[in-house]
Amino acid sequence: EAGVAQSPRYKIIEKRQSVAFWCNPISGHATLYWYQQILGQGPKLLIQFQNNGVVDDSQLPKDRFSAERLKGVDSTLKIQPAKLEDSAVYLCASSLGTGHRSSYEQYFGPGTRLTVT
Amino acid sequence: AQSVTQPDIHITVSEGASLELRCNYSYGATPYLFWYVQSPGQGLQLLLKYFSGDTLVQGIKGFEAEFKRSQSSFNLRKPSVHWSDAAEYFCAVGAGNTDKLIFGTGTRLQVFP
Repeated sequence: EAGVAQSPRYKIIEKRQSVAFWCNPISGHATLYWYQQILGQGPKLLIQFQNNGVVDDSQLPKDRFSAERLKGVDSTLKIQPAKLEDSAVYLCASSLGTGHRSSYEQYFGPGTRLTVT
Repeated sequence: AQSVTQPDIHITVSEGASLELRCNYSYGATPYLFWYVQSPGQGLQLLLKYFSGDTLVQGIKGFEAEFKRSQSSFNLRKPSVHWSDAAEYFCAVGAGNTDKLIFGTGTRLQVFP
């Protein structure tokens, strides 16, 4: 079974530029998550999708971050314009999303390391 | 609000020694608890999970963890550490009914030969 795919793996941009990250979850997983992991910290949830609807985006800086999950499969996270403090690893994860406790079991992609200069 | 505390930022052990990584949680109901491992440049891999029942849970790679409700703890253990266990370890608690995980800040494990 293929895991969660993310691209690109690395990205370097200048501040005020825009960037987009792509994620393809495990086949059949209804729930998709985007996390931000700043160096030395644990992952912080940015946004959670259930199929193509948003469940939680309370931690998403909506003035510069946006995300979509068209057709309830893959997803794109965009930052525009980027700031220096956005330098982090952006992790995508997916889970079954059945409402059963096993839905808490999340599977992570390798992440995209973003450096903003 | 739910939270997870990992008191040890960095731990160093010798290969073959035993290991215990500490995790304390704050949650009003019975928690769902997880340990993840992150190797350099990699995503997070699930080591083990606790939902209910037996408070000692076994995971992959020879790891185990014990849920202690009285201490609000879910410490990770391994009897004999291998050099390949060097990584960052994250404890997480399942929060509410939204399939959401709250992560601790992580413990970096260094293994000396």
